[in-house]
Amino acid sequence: GAVVSQHPSRVICKSGTSVKIECRSLDFQATTMFWYRQFPKQSLMLMATSNEGSKATYEQGVEKDKFLINHASLTLSTLTVTSAHPEDSSFYICSASLLVGYNEQFFGPGTRLTVL
Amino acid sequence: KNEVEQSPQNLTAQEGEFITINCSYSVGISALHWLQQHPGGGIVSLFMLSSGKKKHGRLIATINIQEKHSSLHITASHPRDSAVYICAVRSSSGTYKYIFGTGTRLKVLA
Repeated sequence: GAVVSQHPSRVICKSGTSVKIECRSLDFQATTMFWYRQFPKQSLMLMATSNEGSKATYEQGVEKDKFLINHASLTLSTLTVTSAHPEDSSFYICSASLLVGYNEQFFGPGTRLTVL
Repeated sequence: KNEVEQSPQNLTAQEGEFITINCSYSVGISALHWLQQHPGGGIVSLFMLSSGKKKHGRLIATINIQEKHSSLHITASHPRDSAVYICAVRSSSGTYKYIFGTGTRLKVLA
């Protein structure tokens, strides 16, 4: 149980285009989803927290207009990187929690974004 | 100083060796999570601990709340155990965010 999927697993795009990444909880309803970014050989950096049906809470320094997050249902959250630039190239990972404030986060397999 | 420190940062072991990875934290926590990240990037949840000890197969995790320390042990290590092991804590301050350690990169040689 507690499986989280991400799609796509890998995406290459041209500079200036927008890319949407989906995060789905497959066998549970996720009230809270988290979006992380990871640079090579570094730890996960929390970008934003999204609760179903409400606006995402962004971490300091993360541009909300650049990284659009939608959590429209209890099983799906999306991250859209708008007007992507090469410096947005990174590994993006989502995680999901069953309830608000519930301890455990279940992680997706990640999406590797390369912006040319 | 990071709120969550892991040691060692890098570890190379021979197949069959007993491995210990340590995690120390400086904040009050409600839970500690051990994660495994494979070279491809996917993260697997190993253990969630708030006290005591848990065992699953060849993996054992312990936590000492008073000493603010947790250990992850791997018995009879195997090359497929090669991965980055990450310690993450959930602060007891009321936020449900994780604070991550920097990870321990393990390589097990055949």
